[in-house]
Amino acid sequence: AQSVTQPDIHITVSEGASLELRCNYSYGATPYLFWYVQSPGQGLQLLLKYFSGDTLVQGIKGFEAEFKRSQSSFNLRKPSVHWSDAAEYFCAVAINTGGFKTIFGAGTRLFVKA
Amino acid sequence: EAQVTQNPRYLITVTGKKLTVTCSQNMNHEYMSWYRQDPGLGLRQIYYSMNVEVTDKGDVPEGYKVSRKEKRNFPLILESPSPNQTSLYFCASRFIGAEGGYTFGSGTRLTVV
Repeated sequence: AQSVTQPDIHITVSEGASLELRCNYSYGATPYLFWYVQSPGQGLQLLLKYFSGDTLVQGIKGFEAEFKRSQSSFNLRKPSVHWSDAAEYFCAVAINTGGFKTIFGAGTRLFVKA
Repeated sequence: EAQVTQNPRYLITVTGKKLTVTCSQNMNHEYMSWYRQDPGLGLRQIYYSMNVEVTDKGDVPEGYKVSRKEKRNFPLILESPSPNQTSLYFCASRFIGAEGGYTFGSGTRLTVV
């Protein structure tokens, strides 16, 4: 069955430190891949997406993600975290079921230490 | 401004009292969907619609109804709410080709007592 795994339920990093959030998916082909961010009390906002081409994609707020087909991974990175990045991050895939079903991971909550 | 508007943001109701959560988008998106978000379970799809008058069940449709009479609106109806429907609900929309990703509403926090 298709699935999205975010192995880390929560991560704490110091402000200014680098960040990597992990995401693995299970699907027979290359899906469309997304990262969303949810700030407290808000809806989800699209950070970045990948569906073809360069496997390193740039998003908003200084985030980037790299698609690795051999590892079925789409990890999110940021070189220097700001306190305002504290939020929950969701990896998602859209798979072709005739209407492109989107499957979300369970999310990773990011805490930022001063 | 391109957006998905949900109302209300917060709602407390009693078991069995019918309620409707409204959702409207202004981006001419064909595809609209309702999700519920529960701690530890991520987002689970309740219902979706690929266009006007075309709706289908998601992963957790029991106890919910939807309709899509106009392209911009996709209300979620709970005809007889129960406490296990206490949750955070999100409406989202996108174009039929999924590569653009979703635009989400701000959410409706529903409590059923």
